[in-house]
Amino acid sequence: DGGITQSPKYLFRKEGQNVTLSCEQNLNHDAMYWYRQDPGQGLRLIYYSQIVNDFQKGDIAEGYSVSREKKESFPLTVTSAQKNPTAFYLCASSSRSSNYGYTFGSGTRLTVV
Amino acid sequence: SQELEQSPQSLIVQEGKNLTINCTSSKTLYGLYWYKQKYGEGLIFLMMLQKGGEEKSHEKITAKLDEKKQQSSLHITASQPSHAGIYLCGADNPSGSARQLTFGSGTQLTVLP
Repeated sequence: DGGITQSPKYLFRKEGQNVTLSCEQNLNHDAMYWYRQDPGQGLRLIYYSQIVNDFQKGDIAEGYSVSREKKESFPLTVTSAQKNPTAFYLCASSSRSSNYGYTFGSGTRLTVV
Repeated sequence: SQELEQSPQSLIVQEGKNLTINCTSSKTLYGLYWYKQKYGEGLIFLMMLQKGGEEKSHEKITAKLDEKKQQSSLHITASQPSHAGIYLCGADNPSGSARQLTFGSGTQLTVLP
């Protein structure tokens, strides 16, 4: 079955460390997205990518970086410049022809220790 | 930019009761999506509405989009503990070549047995 896989489910980061969250999809979707979810704040867009080797900043891109070297993969790096990285991170993908909006991964919970 | 306001922020109901969640947009809605999220998991697609006055139902959940296409409601009839979770509305951004969804802050639903 097609879907989006995020890993790991839980991630712990020490102060000053960079960490990378994985997102892989086998839906043949062109567009992929990263969202951050904090309690009571809904989803906020970090980065999105429409095609391979191209990506755009979202509303809260500072302290994050992404790459899109393959259609299936859109990893997110949380850098040490992100001062408050503890949150739930959701990856999504979409196709312009889809009536489902986005298909979401199951999320990664990142905690700073 | 488009903003979505959801109300109420949280809702506690007794099993068997009906309830309504509202989603109000600052701009005309071109596509309105309802998702459900269990705590710590990804979002599951429920329904999508596009036309003014449109109404869709699935099992005990009914979603409506008003004629002016600026407000949507999600109604659950005879709620069950399985309905508990966070409900989020998302709106399509019609501009640009990439689909982008803006999300409301979510409604936390608790159903007491």
